[in-house]
Amino acid sequence: DIQMTQSPSSLSASVGDRVTITCRASQGIRNDLGWYQQKPGKAPKRLIYAASSLQSGVPSRFSGSGSGTEFTLTISSLQSEDFATYYCLQHYSYPWTFGQGTKVEIK
Amino acid sequence: EFQLLESGGDLVQPGGSLRLSCAASGFTFSSYAMSWVRQAPGKGLEWVSDIITTGAGTHYADSVKGRFTISRDNSKDTLYLHMNGLRLEDTAVYYCAKVGTSGIHLWGQGTLVTVSS
Repeated sequence: DIQMTQSPSSLSASVGDRVTITCRASQGIRNDLGWYQQKPGKAPKRLIYAASSLQSGVPSRFSGSGSGTEFTLTISSLQSEDFATYYCLQHYSYPWTFGQGTKVEIK
Repeated sequence: EFQLLESGGDLVQPGGSLRLSCAASGFTFSSYAMSWVRQAPGKGLEWVSDIITTGAGTHYADSVKGRFTISRDNSKDTLYLHMNGLRLEDTAVYYCAKVGTSGIHLWGQGTLVTVSS
């Protein structure tokens, strides 16, 4: 199975900060990775697909990069509505696996 | 508008069975693979299973293999998850999700399964 190691597990940031979250795959997954945002009590929402493509309707302050084993989600200027938990998901091979999640909290 | 509506979640005893349903609307259900993903209380997301468009091919997480069965009825635009031999650790919100060429795209709102004696 492919392990997805996501870091950090949590972070505190202020509105306007630049935030970076990383996922490392235990083996190469090309660019078969998505990033998801989840708010408490709600279903996840996809932000990024194919590692770096912005989902329609998602603000441009979100961006993704990477290929192979190392991937990054960046929020260029954190907004109040961005405080949530973020997950990566690899769909390169079965079983599909999520990262452990990163909780972004208000400093 | 795309919509996925799960139902069937309930309180069930260990060893029991349950069938979850997911009614799809707003898109051509038969053209998409579908998945189930779960989230235990206070925990992260766990992919459970998926099924191809025709229903002829399925995949499962090791944690549910042999106990859960995914199926679909394209004439009813509905996805199912048949769960047998339920364990305490199966307690979770179960989401159904639409799968595109770039992975999971659309999620339902989830249904809660509680396994407890």
